[in-house]
Amino acid sequence: AQSVAQPEDQVNVAEGNPLTVKCTYSVSGNPYLFWYVQYPNRGLQFLLKYITGDNLVKGSYGFEAEFNKSQTSFHLKKPSALVSDSALYFCAVRDSGTYKYIFGTGTRLKVLA
Amino acid sequence: DAGVIQSPRHEVTEMGQEVTLRCKPISGHNSLFWYRQTMMRGLELLIYFNNNVPIDDSGMPEDRFSAKMPNASFSTLKIQPSEPRDSAVYFCASSLGGVNTEAFFGQGTRLTVV
Repeated sequence: AQSVAQPEDQVNVAEGNPLTVKCTYSVSGNPYLFWYVQYPNRGLQFLLKYITGDNLVKGSYGFEAEFNKSQTSFHLKKPSALVSDSALYFCAVRDSGTYKYIFGTGTRLKVLA
Repeated sequence: DAGVIQSPRHEVTEMGQEVTLRCKPISGHNSLFWYRQTMMRGLELLIYFNNNVPIDDSGMPEDRFSAKMPNASFSTLKIQPSEPRDSAVYFCASSLGGVNTEAFFGQGTRLTVV
């Protein structure tokens, strides 16, 4: 079965510092991986996805993610965090058989001024 | 495009009442998903439609829950009768059909059953 794991419930980082939010996956076949962000009282917003090709994927709001096949990871990164980046972040994999999106448990990012 | 539109945004109802949540997916999207989000369980997939046909309803918690998609532009999630443990935020999402496409989420409906 396809799954993703987000090992950290919360990540704290100082404004201006680089941030990383971790995600590992387990899939059979090709991985289709996604990152979403959720601000308070809002729906999930798509940030970026990995389908194939370059291991470094660039997305919205300056975020990027690095796909690592050997470590089965898809960590979300940003070179310089902003206070406005504080939100809940979800990693997801799309099951290539059922087409369902399977979400991780979410990681709360707090960027401290 | 206005995105995925859900209504109502907030619903407060008494235990035992029927509740209907509505969703209008993005035009041209042929996959539609209903999710439920709670602090305890996180984000749960309830049901998934493709081309208006329910493909997987294994996440529907019990017979009190039902979902329909009568056409490509409208879906409903009904709870009858509602119970306090149904209190959650319910999200609708839609996507194009390809496996490499992302889902777009609505703003959600916050349901409170008292």
